Amino acid sequence: AQSVTQLDSHVSVSEGTPVLLRCNYSSSYSPSLFWYVQHPNKGLQLLLKYTSAATLVKGINGFEAEFKKSETSFHLTKPSAHMSDAAEYFCVVTRANAGGTSYGKLTFGQGTILTVHP
Amino acid sequence: DAGVTQSPTHLIKTRGQQVTLRCSPKSGHDTVSWYQQALGQGPQFIFQYYEEEERQRGNFPDRFSGHQFPNYSSELNVNALLLGDSALYLCASSAEIANYGYTFGSGTRLTVV
Repeated sequence: AQSVTQLDSHVSVSEGTPVLLRCNYSSSYSPSLFWYVQHPNKGLQLLLKYTSAATLVKGINGFEAEFKKSETSFHLTKPSAHMSDAAEYFCVVTRANAGGTSYGKLTFGQGTILTVHP
Repeated sequence: DAGVTQSPTHLIKTRGQQVTLRCSPKSGHDTVSWYQQALGQGPQFIFQYYEEEERQRGNFPDRFSGHQFPNYSSELNVNALLLGDSALYLCASSAEIANYGYTFGSGTRLTVV
């Protein structure tokens, strides 16, 4: 079994300030973890992915996330928010096999809406 | 390189009707998954197809069925539509062997009235 909890349904920041979106996961297996972003009326875009390699994962648009097994967390950060970052963000878990390949269903968190103020 | 293509983009149906949604996976991908995203919620897994077989299924009733064709494209069929089936339906493709995540289409917005 696997589940994801995104600890904040809404996060509001000012442009140029840091972003922190929090995610805790639960998995009976070795997990693969993802962050996806969804802009209004658009599909899901992959920001970054963890698959048992380096615990600090760098993604697109300056985002990064750190996998902390002891805390079962995978928080998403960005040093300086941009207006274009305003969107909904989803933390996602799936199962990884021994080789680190992820497969099977994706389990999504409820999402965090990020608002960026000028 | 085309990504995941879904059709139609929007659809309005009446309760009790049947609907078919279509998905063409990204080039090089052979696995297709379908997700339902209700308003204000995260996507929920419906099922996954690989080699024209349903490999895994989420907690959805039998009214939801699918198919995968030899060219890896896929259809999602929903029978006896309910108002609660109104949602964004997302298709995601991936490669069984390669390992870099899942590519999502832009979705089909289904409204049941």
